[in-house]
Amino acid sequence: DAEITQSPRHKITETGRQVTLACHQTWNHNNMFWYRQDLGHGLRLIHYSYGVQDTNKGEVSDGYSVSRSNTEDLPLTLESAASSQTSVYFCASSSSRSANTGELFFGEGSRLTVL
Amino acid sequence: GENVEQHPSTLSVQEGDSAVIKCTYSDSASNYFPWYKQELGKRPQLIIDIRSNVGEKKDQRIAVTLNKTAKHFSLHITETQPEDSAVYFCAASGDGGTSYGKLTFGQGTILTVHP
Repeated sequence: DAEITQSPRHKITETGRQVTLACHQTWNHNNMFWYRQDLGHGLRLIHYSYGVQDTNKGEVSDGYSVSRSNTEDLPLTLESAASSQTSVYFCASSSSRSANTGELFFGEGSRLTVL
Repeated sequence: GENVEQHPSTLSVQEGDSAVIKCTYSDSASNYFPWYKQELGKRPQLIIDIRSNVGEKKDQRIAVTLNKTAKHFSLHITETQPEDSAVYFCAASGDGGTSYGKLTFGQGTILTVHP
């Protein structure tokens, strides 16, 4: 079965360290997204990609970067982790813009704690 | 950009009662409005969605209504059951061009159904 997986599921790091969260999908979806979930804020978009070599900033992109070298993967990098980036991170994917559905398929989430 | 407000933040009902969650959005160009359910410790999953050319959509015990003039939409759950207890998120997005699949989420509603 097609799936979208994230790793690691849990990560504790220190302020200033670089952290990379992996996201891998086997849906063959063109669209991939990274959201962070914080109490009282819902899900906020960090970065997104509509295809290989395409990346775009979302509403809370400062301090984060992504790269899209293939269809399956969209890793999220925190260049220098800050305590404000402690959160649960969700990767999601959806089919191309020509499809008649906008459903997002989410990964299981990655809980990141920055000390 | 789009802004989605969701109310209430918490909702407690007795089993068998109805529950209503309301959302407003700011961008009149938005035309796709999904609802996601997130059980404790799990990933968000789509439960129902509606497009702007439809005023109401039903799926068994859940229904969504949309008022484009007033820019608000609502989720209705009838005959609630304990397994309906979860966090519910509304969202809005455009349906083409640079907005495709880029959902803006509300803050979430914690629904608790008491047996």
